[in-house]
Amino acid sequence: GAVVSQHPSWVICKSGTSVKIECRSLDFQATTMFWYRQFPKQSLMLMATSNEGSKATYEQGVEKDKFLINHASLTLSTLTVTSAHPEDSSFYICSARAPGPPLSGANVLTFGAGSRLTVL
Amino acid sequence: AQSVTQLGSHVSVSEGALVLLRCNYSSSVPPYLFWYVQYPNQGLQLLLKYTSAATLVKGINGFEAEFKKSETSFHLTKPSAHMSDAAEYFCAVSLASGSRLTFGEGTQLTVNP
Repeated sequence: GAVVSQHPSWVICKSGTSVKIECRSLDFQATTMFWYRQFPKQSLMLMATSNEGSKATYEQGVEKDKFLINHASLTLSTLTVTSAHPEDSSFYICSARAPGPPLSGANVLTFGAGSRLTVL
Repeated sequence: AQSVTQLGSHVSVSEGALVLLRCNYSSSVPPYLFWYVQYPNQGLQLLLKYTSAATLVKGINGFEAEFKKSETSFHLTKPSAHMSDAAEYFCAVSLASGSRLTFGEGTQLTVNP
């Protein structure tokens, strides 16, 4: 089945630095990837939709200059948290959609294992 | 727009007992519905999905869910709970195949020995 890999799994950084999280589709090409954020004991909130070769679409309230998303290839999307602050500490999860016809295996999003960011 | 509501943020059952996790949805078009499970510090694993075929959907690990349009529900059940079922469960809805998911608040399932 489709596999999505996220890296790093854990990252600790100092306030004011930038952190990059990678999301890779390992055995399929993903034209669309989604980035979610999850606070402790809470649900997943969609941050942005990343489309290969075009600008990401951000959800209302998400600062696009703070959360930079790049989807430069069909297998890689990156989320960069710029000038991170403690309130950015969270669990970030990506998911990818494989292209294909409806009712095939492509109609399910595959999730990465998540990346836990702690900003000191 | 679409949304899901999971009734009960915490559910506790005894090992071997029936598991019932409730999910109600709201959607302007026929929805695609999903149940995911999340273990601590991990991503989401798909348990099962409803995509307008059979209303009773069987998933992995003995879970199943029934789509009831009249009740706008998609409750998750398992006849006999196992200790390894203890996790966070999320119901989700999307409007189209492979499109963005909207998640419920999650239900933490505890299984007591």
